[in-house]
Amino acid sequence: QKEVEQNSGPLSVPEGAIASLNCTYSDRGSQSFFWYRQYSGKSPELIMSIYSNGDKEDGRFTAQLNKASQYVSLLIRDSQPSDSATYLCAVRMDSSYKLIFGSGTRLLVRP
Amino acid sequence: DARVTQTPRHKVTEMGQEVTMRCQPILGHNTVFWYRQTMMQGLELLAYFRNRAPLDDSGMPKDRFSAEMPDATLATLKIQPSEPRDSAVYFCASVGVSYNEQFFGPGTRLTVL
Repeated sequence: QKEVEQNSGPLSVPEGAIASLNCTYSDRGSQSFFWYRQYSGKSPELIMSIYSNGDKEDGRFTAQLNKASQYVSLLIRDSQPSDSATYLCAVRMDSSYKLIFGSGTRLLVRP
Repeated sequence: DARVTQTPRHKVTEMGQEVTMRCQPILGHNTVFWYRQTMMQGLELLAYFRNRAPLDDSGMPKDRFSAEMPDATLATLKIQPSEPRDSAVYFCASVGVSYNEQFFGPGTRLTVL
């Protein structure tokens, strides 16, 4: 079992819809959770971090964390074609700064 | 404009040659990571440093890879000798003191023929 799991996709949504990206992790003691966006041929770009259970909103993005279920998600409201990218979930599992990355979910937003 | 920089951006070399990649972390960041990304394996951590000291290089093939941080503004990743299976994009990322968030450089795209 991989430590951080994501559906590889592609997840295809129409422009203006809500895109929901999901991630599960194996280490119950994990403390910090991150979502990175990676455009093709570019480097990962941090878009959200979340540390406590519940929701965290930033513009069109909402991160949701449920530590009991070992589940973290990213919602993108009013999806735009420019949101088309691969979204990487990353989990910090111990006191080090090491991150474990999922394999990413490719999102396609259809005009 | 604080960002991580990496050189070279692209490198094409022949099998057996030495490759050196360089990273300049964001000024003031004291923890530096080296990652490798391929289609098959995704993003893998190779090694990381804190305050220039190596903390973990368990993800790195020891026989051919080496990573150093000669000063606070420079981290290097060296492959000697290079092999075609080393073809990948190599990213450097840095984290500041008291922060959790890693910021990535633009990457070095390595092709070993």
